[in-house]
Amino acid sequence: GAGVSQSPRYKVAKRGQDVALRCDPISGHVSLFWYQQALGQGPEFLTYFQNEAQLDKSGLPSDRFFAERPEGSVSTLKIQRTQQEDSAVYLCASSLTLAGGQETQYFGPGTRLLVL
Amino acid sequence: KNEVEQSPQNLTAQEGEFITINCSYSVGISALHWLQQHPGGGIVSLFMLSSGKKKHGRLIATINIQEKHSSLHITASHPRDSAVYICAPHSGGSNYKLTFGKGTLLTVNP
Repeated sequence: GAGVSQSPRYKVAKRGQDVALRCDPISGHVSLFWYQQALGQGPEFLTYFQNEAQLDKSGLPSDRFFAERPEGSVSTLKIQRTQQEDSAVYLCASSLTLAGGQETQYFGPGTRLLVL
Repeated sequence: KNEVEQSPQNLTAQEGEFITINCSYSVGISALHWLQQHPGGGIVSLFMLSSGKKKHGRLIATINIQEKHSSLHITASHPRDSAVYICAPHSGGSNYKLTFGKGTLLTVNP
């Protein structure tokens, strides 16, 4: 595709509900990142994939958060038993090669999650 | 936890003014990104730099690795430059992990 796409763009969930957020990176991009951006704050790192391998999940805030990229392209971020503090914009980014931080990251539009 | 400090947090300018946004960071880094975020969330990478200065159109970014400081300048600002500008150095020791500042909200009035 032309850029990174994310779906849904907006999600309203009731507290306790499970949600799944999808990211379609730019075709052929090796590195994929998930970030969480709270209102008025900068994004914060959640997790990093190199192809299908999840090399770093140190930013996931709790074991309710789970991410996968089974075929090395599309990635899904799943949040179980959502809490109000999970309300944020979830951003996905991809980059072409392995050294993701040393090159341009291309960001998707984000999924705005509101937990009521 | 605030490893990245941006100033100012908010900036209002008149069209045509020269803009400077500053970024200071506390960890050792090898490179730093400047990003632009428009309302609605879309983030665009403006620069990645590890030393000296880069220029792209009306945008100029500088970095001083020893002083742990970077600046983003906009010459002849325009209302379409209105956005949040975010500084994101690499976390120390990481090739890929970015630490983001809170951003500077720039509003350029016609």
